[in-house]
Parts: sequence; structure tokens; C-alpha cells
Amino acid sequence: TQLLEQSPQFLSIQEGENLTVYCNSSSVFSSLQWYRQEPGEGPVLLVTVVTGGEVKKLKRLTFQFGDARKDSSLHITAAQPGDTGLYLCAGAGGGGADGLTFGKGTHLIIQP
Amino acid sequence: GAVVSQHPSRVICKSGTSVKIECRSLDFQATTMFWYRQFPKKSLMLMATSNEGSKATYEQGVEKDKFLINHASLTLSTLTVTSAHPEDSSFYICSATQVRDSYEQYFGPGTRLTVT
Repeated sequence: TQLLEQSPQFLSIQEGENLTVYCNSSSVFSSLQWYRQEPGEGPVLLVTVVTGGEVKKLKRLTFQFGDARKDSSLHITAAQPGDTGLYLCAGAGGGGADGLTFGKGTHLIIQP
Repeated sequence: GAVVSQHPSRVICKSGTSVKIECRSLDFQATTMFWYRQFPKKSLMLMATSNEGSKATYEQGVEKDKFLINHASLTLSTLTVTSAHPEDSSFYICSATQVRDSYEQYFGPGTRLTVT
């Protein structure tokens, strides 16, 4: 069974600060996705990383996939209240036939 | 593109009854759809993988006779919770892959099931 450890589980910071969310596993994943979920809604895909060492940027969000494809991080620069939400990392073992293994999620609150 | 819908968004049913949840890919064909369950303040847990025209593959610990999954077409999968119990109350979310062997899954908005 593949497990994803996500940390921190809860984070409350002031607007303008930077933060990093980590997603770690002892297993190798073919890809890792990061999602953001609002209460009562389904997760929305932010990014997919596939290649070991890959770095992707989405405005103030920077995503990195570890060289061994076992871990990933999400860094947010100058956090804004609109970034508040549940951030989920999810790993895929193979191709599209595999369901995703989700981390426990990071509840992020950005205080104005 | 890649929009997934679910119906209903909320449903309340009495113990012992069955309830069906639909998952549709609106603008693409999905050969594979997935069903997840999410408890309050918790992450998503994969229940089963649904392939068009074949039997669903259930994760360990998920009762296939209780959670009936049908994937009759390339745009529709249904999850039927049979003989519902208050413990089945949860947020059920489906997802679909747009392209075969794609890593990316697109999620529906979820269905809140409450069993009284």
C-alpha cells in the first residue's frame, strides 16, 4: 500500500508570509498531483509533476517533485487570504487506470 | 474542458433505503472513473475504479454488494448505496480521466449523503 504523508496538517499564517507544504512517501510514484479543495466542493487540480526534479510554477505557487519521485513540495510566496483552503497532494502509481492515493491534506488559513 | 458533474449534490435518505449517485463527464469521454469517499476534515479515500463496460474494481475494505457501481457508458458512472445506514453518511466524490493513461483526474463537485 502506497502512503503519502502530508505536513503540516494545519497552518495559519498572516497575509504576506511564505509557506511550504510537504508531501513524502517511501514509495515511488509515476506522478504527483496537487489539488485545492473548498468546503463542500470537489478538488480542483492545480498541477501535475511527472519527472524527478521537476519544478513548476503557477503564479505565486511553486511545485517541486523530488529527484527520486517519492516526495513533493508546494511553496506559496506572499500568501493572500484567497489562498485559504485545503491543499491535497495525490500520487498515481501507474497510468490512468490507477486511482489516486491522497495525503491527509493541509488546512491553510491566511489571515488578513 | 474536462468538466465532471454529479447528481444530486445533496441527498437525505432513511436507513434501509437505497440511493443512487450519478457521475457524468460533460465534455469528454471517460473510459475510467473513480469513486472516492471523504469524511469531514479528512482526505479522500479511493473506494473503487469504474471501467466502462466491465465490473468495477473495489479497494480493500469496501463492500461491493453495498456500494454498487455501474459504468454503462463512456460519460456516465453511477454509485448506488444499498440498504443505507447512518455510518454511510459522507461526501462522495467521483473523478474521471480524460485520456487513457493520463495521470490527471478531474473531479466532480461531490454529493453529500445524509442517512437518518
